[in-house]
Amino acid sequence: DAGVTQSPTHLIKTRGQQVTLRCSPKSGHDTVSWYQQALGQGPQFIFQYYEEEERQRGNFPDRFSGHQFPNYSSELNVNALLLGDSALYLCASSPTGQGEKLFFGSGTQLSVL
Amino acid sequence: GDSVTQMEGPVTLSEEAFLTINCTYTATGYPSLFWYVQYPGEGLQLLLKATKADDKGSNKGFEATYRKETTSFHLEKGSVQVSDSAVYFCALSEGGSEKLVFGKGTKLTVNP
Repeated sequence: DAGVTQSPTHLIKTRGQQVTLRCSPKSGHDTVSWYQQALGQGPQFIFQYYEEEERQRGNFPDRFSGHQFPNYSSELNVNALLLGDSALYLCASSPTGQGEKLFFGSGTQLSVL
Repeated sequence: GDSVTQMEGPVTLSEEAFLTINCTYTATGYPSLFWYVQYPGEGLQLLLKATKADDKGSNKGFEATYRKETTSFHLEKGSVQVSDSAVYFCALSEGGSEKLVFGKGTKLTVNP
């Protein structure tokens, strides 16, 4: 079992650009959540996808959007990048309603210059 | 809203020392509580969990007890190893939700 896989592992963008991060969930998991982890901080919940729809959302602006595909994989899109968007972006998957079985990927390190 | 407060780090210990990392929480309901560990360059790994008051979670020699009266979930280990060096995060979730609320993390360094 490959677990949760994220791509790319590292990414460098400039202010104002747009970025897409990708996530493949653990086998058997149908719910995908995204978290932002700034340097020296704990992860913060961005949003969650289930059945190709956004089900919950944290306190993030509309510049952050996502998508879930029929195979349960997911994308996180960030538009109009700001310097403050530099962070480690973590994807986590679980069977729906079973947050205690949340499984995290290794993350995508985004640097905005 | 819900929140988690962890003791400030970094924490530096010698091998075989006793470890305590304090964690307290604020929640509207009856949350599940977790400790996650993040090794350098890796994602978060679930270390242990407790889903109701007085439950004790344990794994790899680490323990934490869900204390509702003090809203705490302190992490302990009797004898740390160099391989335990990592960042430890306390977290909560409400009602089985996949939305976790994390503390800021505590970096632990264990010296031989």
